[in-house]
Amino acid sequence: SQTIHQWPATLVQPVGSPLSLECTVEGTSNPNLYWYRQAAGRGLQLLFYSVGIGQISSEVPQNLSASRPQDRQFILSSKKLLLSDSGFYLCAWTTRWGSMQADTEAFFGQGTRLTVV
Amino acid sequence: GIQVEQSPPDLILQEGANSTLRCNFSDSVNNLQWFHQNPWGQLINLFYIPSGTKQNGRLSATTVATERYSLLYISSSQTTDSGVYFCAVELFRSYNTDKLIFGTGTRLQVFP
Repeated sequence: SQTIHQWPATLVQPVGSPLSLECTVEGTSNPNLYWYRQAAGRGLQLLFYSVGIGQISSEVPQNLSASRPQDRQFILSSKKLLLSDSGFYLCAWTTRWGSMQADTEAFFGQGTRLTVV
Repeated sequence: GIQVEQSPPDLILQEGANSTLRCNFSDSVNNLQWFHQNPWGQLINLFYIPSGTKQNGRLSATTVATERYSLLYISSSQTTDSGVYFCAVELFRSYNTDKLIFGTGTRLQVFP
């Protein structure tokens, strides 16, 4: 069965420090991968999504970047964290079965709670 | 872009009560899902329901794609049902966006 791993679960980082959050998926090939951020306990904002290795689409301008060095690995990074980067970060994946009308149910990791101090 | 609105924003129930949560979306969609976010932040898949009706225990969901809305029914609510309920939609495939857009959420509190 497919599983998604996300780590770390919690992180406290000083302003100006770098960030690297990692997400990996097991049990599937060529997934679509997503990074979401949730602030104030409600509302998930799509940050990045990727349909393949090296293919990253950014949804909103921000202090973050994403990379997909391997098929089932998605990394969220920052060179210098801001206070406003605090939040709950969630990684998700969907699968494509090759059809224009294929089912694309999304599954989420456990999330990383980031506090920038 | 597509708008996904949920109502009510907040709901307080006594254990045993029934409730209906609504999700309205402003454009044709290829996929609709309902999630429950528990107090620890984990998103739990409830239904994948681009159209039609599904039931799973005390929960059921109906999506009327032509009228652009979906309903989540919770019967005989329990304290463990507390949390935030999200619907999320994926735009119709012809837009080729592959993006899952979340609604605003309904915060449910169930008291004993």
